[in-house]
Formats: sequence, structure tokens, C-alpha cells
Amino acid sequence: AQSVSQHNHHVILSEAASLELGCNYSYGGTVNLFWYVQYPGQHLQLLLKYFSGDPLVKGIKGFEAEFIKSKFSFNLRKPSVQWSDTAEYFCAVIPGGTGGFKTIFGAGTRLFVKA
Amino acid sequence: GAGVSQSPSNKVTEKGKDVELRCDPISGHTALYWYRQSLGQGLEFLIYFQGNSAPDKSGLPSDRFSAERTGGSVSTLTIQRTQQEDSAVYLCASSLNRVFLFFGQGTRLTVV
Repeated sequence: AQSVSQHNHHVILSEAASLELGCNYSYGGTVNLFWYVQYPGQHLQLLLKYFSGDPLVKGIKGFEAEFIKSKFSFNLRKPSVQWSDTAEYFCAVIPGGTGGFKTIFGAGTRLFVKA
Repeated sequence: GAGVSQSPSNKVTEKGKDVELRCDPISGHTALYWYRQSLGQGLEFLIYFQGNSAPDKSGLPSDRFSAERTGGSVSTLTIQRTQQEDSAVYLCASSLNRVFLFFGQGTRLTVV
């Protein structure tokens, strides 16, 4: 079945450690790719997006993600995490790019950063 | 309002009862989505509205679930004869362009 897969359900890091959260999708053709974040007690919000062009995209708070088309991947990275990055991170895909309408989400990765 | 508003924020209901969940989207957003977030399951797509019509109802898990949207604005998700497996957080999102989703805080439904 077509899906969005996030490799880790729970990640625990110490402050200043580097972060990489994996995301793979199984849709062919054009896709729009996203990472959303949900901080404790807050609503889901967009972290970064990829539509086309440079496959390395930068988002808020020092996050970046790299689109590797051949691997159907869109991994999220941050060189040095902070305690305030503790949150749940969701990878998401719109199959069909701007012609599509349905955002499909992965199961999420809960990140806990120890101070 | 400035954001997507959902009510109630929490709902506890007895098994077999009907519940209605409400979503008030951002003004002017023509697209509206309902998702269900269960523990460890991520966000499960339920239904999508463009204006008042629902081109995609494919995610509704059973015929006990229905949704409507009136005036191109407020949407109601109704679950009839609730079951324990319906317990989840129900999230509403709206969008101007079907690309960037703006989410509400969700309704946490507990069926006892």
C-alpha cells in the first residue's frame, strides 16, 4: 500500500547532539513533501516544505531536510538540538504535487531532548 | 478568528451514544480536512471538503461516521453509536490552497 514511513517512533537525545529523522514515501511521480511539528500542548504546525528546485530545504529553528528522489526519502536534520525541540515530528506527502489535495502523514516521531 | 477552532476540546461519552465535533476554519479557507490521531498511529485522513462538497470521503472508517460543511465554513463530524475504538484525537485543518494545512487544537474523544 502507498504510505509514508517514519523510521523511529521515539528518539531521545542530549542537548547539542545532532538529529536525523528518517522519512520514506512510496508514491511515484510528483510529490510535495513536508515536515510538521507538534510541540507539547500546541497544535500541529508546518516546519518546512519541498515543492521543487534545490533538494536541500531549510525551515524554521535551524531545521533542514533533504529530498533524495532516487531513495524516495525526505529526512529531517538539525546539527545541534535544544531542549525546546522536544516535540512530535510528522513527515507528510501530497501525492501529485500541486495537482493533489490530500496530505498523507507518517506515524510521527516523538523526540525528547534532555537538558 | 485567527486560527482553526475546534469544539469541544475534550469529550467523554458512553459507548453507543452519538457525538458531534465542530470545526470552525480560518476565514476564507475553502479547503477543510478531518484527521484522526490515535496513539502510535499518526494522522489518519478521514475526509476532505472543497467548499461545501466532499470530493473524498474515502477515509471515513465506517458508515457510523459522517461529516458536513455548511456555508463553506463550519464543519461538523458526527459519530453515531460510538465504540471504544473511536477514542482518539480528532483534528481539523483548513487550507487556502490545499497545500499548507493549518490545524486546530483537536478534540480528544474518549468512549467509555
